[in-house]
Amino acid sequence: AQSVTQPDIHITVSEGASLELRCNYSYGATPYLFWYVQSPGQGLQLLLKYFSGDTLVQGIKGFEAEFKRSQSSFNLRKPSVHWSDAAEYFCAVGGPGNTGKLIFGQGTTLQVKP
Amino acid sequence: NAGVTQTPKFQVLKTGQSMTLQCAQDMNHEYMSWYRQDPGMGLRLIHYSVGAGITDQGEVPNGYNVSRSTTEDFPLRLLSAAPSQTSVYFCASSIGQSGNTIYFGEGSWLTVV
Repeated sequence: AQSVTQPDIHITVSEGASLELRCNYSYGATPYLFWYVQSPGQGLQLLLKYFSGDTLVQGIKGFEAEFKRSQSSFNLRKPSVHWSDAAEYFCAVGGPGNTGKLIFGQGTTLQVKP
Repeated sequence: NAGVTQTPKFQVLKTGQSMTLQCAQDMNHEYMSWYRQDPGMGLRLIHYSVGAGITDQGEVPNGYNVSRSTTEDFPLRLLSAAPSQTSVYFCASSIGQSGNTIYFGEGSWLTVV
């Protein structure tokens, strides 16, 4: 079955600390992988995406993610978290053709301590 | 979220009422889809379309109807609203080519009482 798992429902980090949000997927075909961020009451903003090529992907707001096929993972990282990064983060997987048919993880809520 | 417009942004319905959530995009995208977001469950695909006149069901289609008469519009109809349909609804569109962005609308908050 196709699925995305974000093992951490809620994470709290101190401002300035590093961050890693985990994402594991199960997908039969070549996965196209995405990370989105959502602030309360807002829509989804794309942080980064992986389609092919370099497995380390750079995104907006200083985020990066690494695709590891052997581990079926696409973890999101940021070296130094800012208070404005507090939000909910979603990992999603789609298939070839970029059809907009995405499978989302349950989301990870990030809280940033001052 | 440039290019994908959802209306209304907020709506309160009574159980049994019907309504249509509108979604329009001006990017000439062939693919459009509807998702619902519920706490702890991420976003789940309701219906999607690969072009005008072509629609198909996603993961949670029951209670919803869609049609795609034009490339630009992809309305989502709630036939007889139920409290279980209280959710946030997102419309998305994409051009269907590898590497291109999937654009999401800003969401429609629906409460069924």
